[in-house]
Amino acid sequence: EADIYQTPRYLVIGTGKKITLECSQTMGHDKMYWYQQDPGMELHLIHYSYGVNSTEKGDLSSESTVSRIRTEHFPLTLESARPSHTSQYLCASSEYPGRGNSYEQYFGPGTRLTVT
Amino acid sequence: GENVEQHPSTLSVQEGDSAVIKCTYSDSASNYFPWYKQELGKRPQLIIDIRSNVGEKKDQRIAVTLNKTAKHFSLHITETQPEDSAVYFCAASSNSGNTPLVFGKGTRLSVIA
Repeated sequence: EADIYQTPRYLVIGTGKKITLECSQTMGHDKMYWYQQDPGMELHLIHYSYGVNSTEKGDLSSESTVSRIRTEHFPLTLESARPSHTSQYLCASSEYPGRGNSYEQYFGPGTRLTVT
Repeated sequence: GENVEQHPSTLSVQEGDSAVIKCTYSDSASNYFPWYKQELGKRPQLIIDIRSNVGEKKDQRIAVTLNKTAKHFSLHITETQPEDSAVYFCAASSNSGNTPLVFGKGTRLSVIA
């Protein structure tokens, strides 16, 4: 089934650790995004990509990096986790305008990160 | 860049009443305006969207209106039901493909049975 997947779903980790949050989509979408969201609160764009080898910073990109080596895969890495990184991280994907009739952005189920 | 303001931040209505959420945007180049619904513990999902060549769009109990001159758009939910309780986000973008969606800060809607 075409969908967007995130692993892990929950992660508790100590301060200073390096972590990678995984995101994969099987919809063949060109565009992918990472958002940080405290439950039910504002969506903060961290990074986005419009295709392989294309990455851009969002409003909240400090202390994290992304890569886009394959169309379906868009991992987010925190080099040194801090308690301020405790939040939910949502991955999303969408079609490139012009290829389809919808600009809908599909969200993954999220990774809930706790840094102790 | 684009800035999207959303009001109110919280809204409580009695079941069966209507709910209206309003958003304003700053960039006149924006021409795509979606609305997302996020239920508690779930991922945001698109419920309706409108493009700038249309002034209104309706889907059953949900409608969106757009005023390009005033740069504002609104979500209207009629005959509200408890399952409409969620956080609603408006967003705006241009379809040049070079800018991602800019979201409002969200409205927490509670429908009281």
